Amino acid sequence: GESVGLHLPTLSVQEGDNSIINCAYSNSASDYFIWYKQESGKGPQFIIDIRSNMDKRQGQRVTVLLNKTVKHLSLQIAATQPGDSAVYFCAENGTSGTYKYIFGTGTRLKVLA
Amino acid sequence: NAGVTQTPKFRVLKTGQSMTLLCAQDMNHEYMYWYRQDPGMGLRLIHYSVGEGTTAKGEVPDGYNVSRLKKQNFLLGLESAAPSQTSVYFCASSYDGQRQYFGPGTRLTVT
Repeated sequence: GESVGLHLPTLSVQEGDNSIINCAYSNSASDYFIWYKQESGKGPQFIIDIRSNMDKRQGQRVTVLLNKTVKHLSLQIAATQPGDSAVYFCAENGTSGTYKYIFGTGTRLKVLA
Repeated sequence: NAGVTQTPKFRVLKTGQSMTLLCAQDMNHEYMYWYRQDPGMGLRLIHYSVGEGTTAKGEVPDGYNVSRLKKQNFLLGLESAAPSQTSVYFCASSYDGQRQYFGPGTRLTVT
């Protein structure tokens, strides 16, 4: 069973609506950010990434926004589907070049039918 | 192409026992990582490797050792298991130290 995420913040969204998941990152020196999706009982899976020289990047149904001024990332999922139900993590690379990524605690997305 | 695989999937240890977790990747990636994941916390880096024969400490290395004798394998060892090491362990690999590909995890319980 799923033991990870017992105390995670949860976002409940109606199927078909858009979802916005937020993340505050910690290190102002971070210059590369990634969003991962983790389904129950599985390892994290890459969704989308963004470099600090960009404010916005779009993928298939997903958009990542970066606000360096307030150290904030957001992941927008368009037309949320039941298969989007998962825990979403942001990660930052901390000091560039160390390869030591810092992961957020995650947000659980629940899609309501 | 299996990606990243981890062995075993589950394990129960008694306090003081030792074990090795095996991670294997078939993508010819240079970088490999070991994380632990605990309830309410994000992934925390234990050790990582930037190439065959190299290892480095992450955020929570105490009580663990690693080896990267072959490029495709990254082993995580617990010499004397403690209940605080009960966790889900994930291995990951990366081509360039950026996007990481994760394995399915190993659920370890130490009693």
